[in-house]
Amino acid sequence: QKEVEQNSGPLSVPEGAIASLNCTYSDRGSQSFFWYRQYSGKSPELIMFIYSNGDKEDGRFTAQLNKASQYVSLLIRDSQPSDSATYLCAVNGGGSNYKLTFGKGTLLTVNP
Amino acid sequence: NAGVTQTPKFQVLKTGQSMTLQCAQDMNHNSMYWYRQDPGMGLRLIYYSASEGTTDKGEVPNGYNVSRLNKREFSLRLESAAPSQTSVYFCASEISTGGSPLHFGNGTRLTVT
Repeated sequence: QKEVEQNSGPLSVPEGAIASLNCTYSDRGSQSFFWYRQYSGKSPELIMFIYSNGDKEDGRFTAQLNKASQYVSLLIRDSQPSDSATYLCAVNGGGSNYKLTFGKGTLLTVNP
Repeated sequence: NAGVTQTPKFQVLKTGQSMTLQCAQDMNHNSMYWYRQDPGMGLRLIYYSASEGTTDKGEVPNGYNVSRLNKREFSLRLESAAPSQTSVYFCASEISTGGSPLHFGNGTRLTVT
């Protein structure tokens, strides 16, 4: 059984700060890594995906992957109140183990 | 372009009643999924369909059945609803299995009394 662990939070940061969200996973064969944002009462929406070790940047968002440490993170620079949401980490494995496993999410609050 | 459409958005059932949750996608995706989301439990996979004509159990399949009617549609049926099935249900699709992003529908909030 694959496991994906996230800091449960809540994480509270002031507006303009960097928010750091962390995720660890148990399946060493995992190939694909995703971050979803979910506003209260809404469905998850994809923010970032990363497949290779290192950093991937998209605007204010940076995903970081370290397969050796089985760790993936999401950095949000210049955090805005509109970033307040639950962030879900999702991981899948290779071969027949392709289905996504989601973490329980981290609630982020950005205070004006 | 509607993406993934789920119906209904809300439903209240009495214990023992049955119902079908409908899901359709217009993105020509091969794979479709049903998840449930409960407070503190995250998203858990109920059933999935890797391609038209195939379905498989996920993490929590008990009490549910599915039908992949065609490439577009994937329905979830509760034959005899139980209060433990009170949850928010999300349908999702993926262009093909193997690590592509999932596209989610807007969800169905189901309450079983």
